[in-house]
Amino acid sequence: EIVLTQSPGTLSLSPGERASLSCRASQSVSSSYLAWYQQKPGQAPRLLIYGASSRATGIPDRFSGSGSGTDFTLTISRLEPEDFAVYYCQQYGSSPWTFGQGTKVEMK
Amino acid sequence: QVQLQESGPGLVKPSQTLSLTCTVSGGSISSGFYFWSWIRQPAGKGLEWMGHIYTSGSTKYNPSLKSRITISVDTSKNQFSLKLSSVTAADAAVYYCARDTEKTLAFYYWGQGTLVTVSS
Repeated sequence: EIVLTQSPGTLSLSPGERASLSCRASQSVSSSYLAWYQQKPGQAPRLLIYGASSRATGIPDRFSGSGSGTDFTLTISRLEPEDFAVYYCQQYGSSPWTFGQGTKVEMK
Repeated sequence: QVQLQESGPGLVKPSQTLSLTCTVSGGSISSGFYFWSWIRQPAGKGLEWMGHIYTSGSTKYNPSLKSRITISVDTSKNQFSLKLSSVTAADAAVYYCARDTEKTLAFYYWGQGTLVTVSS
């Protein structure tokens, strides 16, 4: 099973700042089958990024994904008030599909 | 636009079987080539992929659930279902159904989630 470790656990930032979230895999993620989700309290997760760097439909371009192999990054270029949430990475290249433990982006 | 909606008992007794259904609207569950998945999230914790059923009917499960899980499809009702046997308090969670798209195997469509409590 591929274990995904996200860091930091919590990121305290202000609106307008840049956020960089890390996701490290215990083994190489095949074909960059790595996704990022945003989850707000009481809501289902929302797909932001798939294939490590492709934005899902309707996702603003301030969200970008990068990386390959075992190291991946989600960057939010300028935080908007609605971006404060928990973010999860997920790999779907190797069964069982697994999620990271999440990074909370909170308002400073 | 595909929409998913979970339903089922919100309370299950320990050692019994948890049964949930995901009703699909906006498209036929038997058309296309998709993975229909179940994912759960214990309160305050992260997400766990439980398993999926492919349009062809083949299934794949998370080994962590061993032989307790069954996912099936009812094409006549446009639904797919989850059964989890021998539940314990550790199975209490919000349960989501989800689906991929033509572009990616990642989970694009999600249900709103349903909370299941395990208690006698």
